[in-house]
Amino acid sequence: GAVVSQHPSRVICKSGTSVKIECRSLDFQATTMFWYRQFPKKSLMLMATSNEGSKATYEQGVEKDKFLINHASLTLSTLTVTSAHPEDSSFYICSALGLAVFTDTQYFGPGTRLTVL
Amino acid sequence: DAKTTQPTSMDCAEGRAANLPCNHSTISGNEYVYWYRQIHSQGPQYIIHGLKNNETNEMASLIITEDRKSSTLILPHATLRDTAVYYCIVRVEFRVGNTDKLIFGTGTRLQVFP
Repeated sequence: GAVVSQHPSRVICKSGTSVKIECRSLDFQATTMFWYRQFPKKSLMLMATSNEGSKATYEQGVEKDKFLINHASLTLSTLTVTSAHPEDSSFYICSALGLAVFTDTQYFGPGTRLTVL
Repeated sequence: DAKTTQPTSMDCAEGRAANLPCNHSTISGNEYVYWYRQIHSQGPQYIIHGLKNNETNEMASLIITEDRKSSTLILPHATLRDTAVYYCIVRVEFRVGNTDKLIFGTGTRLQVFP
């Protein structure tokens, strides 16, 4: 199957700082990437959908100015949590849809655990 | 909102078959049934998907009822490493240009015990 990586796997930051999370498709080109957030013992909640070269589409209730998404290439999308606060502490997961091959499903990264102090 | 209903939790003895049910009574004709699982603190892992015929791969089997209103994921010989939350999701098939979302419900927490 296709491989999606995320970096960093976990990050601890101070309140008010910004944190960037990278999502890469390692062996395929991803035309579309998705960003999810998951709180403890809860299901995954979709935050936004990003298509390469265009602006991301955010789900209702997700602040686009706080969660900046960039999908500048077919293998890389980034999520920046700006001015992070403790309530932003969560497990952030990306997924990718492939181009040509691997179009039968959506592949997920391993996730990034963000802790804001 | 998720269009599926699953039991909150299930137990299974190691080595036995784990049968995980899913109800999707409002499924549309062009929607597939997808199964993913999430092991603790990891990203979801794709397991299998199907439209109306039963499907089998190296991980599991998927049995879909004739009216397509429900399905069952079968792990033929459960191991301790199969302990995870299993999500049943219905959506149109993934294709280039189709960016329909995967909406996760609460899933079934499967505990495999020795």
